[in-house]
Amino acid sequence: NAGVTQTPKFQVLKTGQSMTLQCAQDMNHNSMYWYRQDPGMGLRLIYYSASEGTTDKGEVPNGYNVSRLNKREFSLRLESAAPSQTSVYFCAHRDRGSGNTIYFGEGSWLTVV
Amino acid sequence: SQQGEEDPQALSIQEGENATMNCSYKTSINNLQWYRQNSGRGLVHLILIRSNEREKHSGRLRVTLDTSKKSSSLLITASRAADTASYFCATDSGNTPLVFGKGTRLSVIA
Repeated sequence: NAGVTQTPKFQVLKTGQSMTLQCAQDMNHNSMYWYRQDPGMGLRLIYYSASEGTTDKGEVPNGYNVSRLNKREFSLRLESAAPSQTSVYFCAHRDRGSGNTIYFGEGSWLTVV
Repeated sequence: SQQGEEDPQALSIQEGENATMNCSYKTSINNLQWYRQNSGRGLVHLILIRSNEREKHSGRLRVTLDTSKKSSSLLITASRAADTASYFCATDSGNTPLVFGKGTRLSVIA
């Protein structure tokens, strides 16, 4: 699982509901990321955290918030879900100090109706 | 905005043939990486090529990089049905997150 645990795997939300996607990595890496993947759009970065205690916006941050709870955990929150947020969400992590490979979780399939 | 753009968007070949995918990017990079994604799964790292390298091999994979043209190619030789997947290039420009292209969907027909 590339050292990443994402939950939940699948979720259906009603418009306006809130939810949090959880991500934890066990490789002690500094950088963590949340991407979304939509058909024909590839992967787009939502937010990232270069280290514990810091977060930065990516390409498509609107409608999302993140928390880097500690070095292991990086959560993504949808405060008021919209149908446009129907997507597959991937958490990833990376250790820039010992290589540049990025490790992805298995994804969370989110449908907003 | 996406930095890497893969070409073609989709590719269908017979088992045993070679598959070539291309990636173009816009700005200077430190390295370029290729990832593979099986249907319904996360991306998996395949190979990394640094900006001062021109070619790299890993098993049946061969990657080239032309920084003057800002392009890279991924060649999979003697393809197998199990190579069916989407392939993404990603550019690393330093202290910024990797930027991924939209991917090439490869279908290898047995």
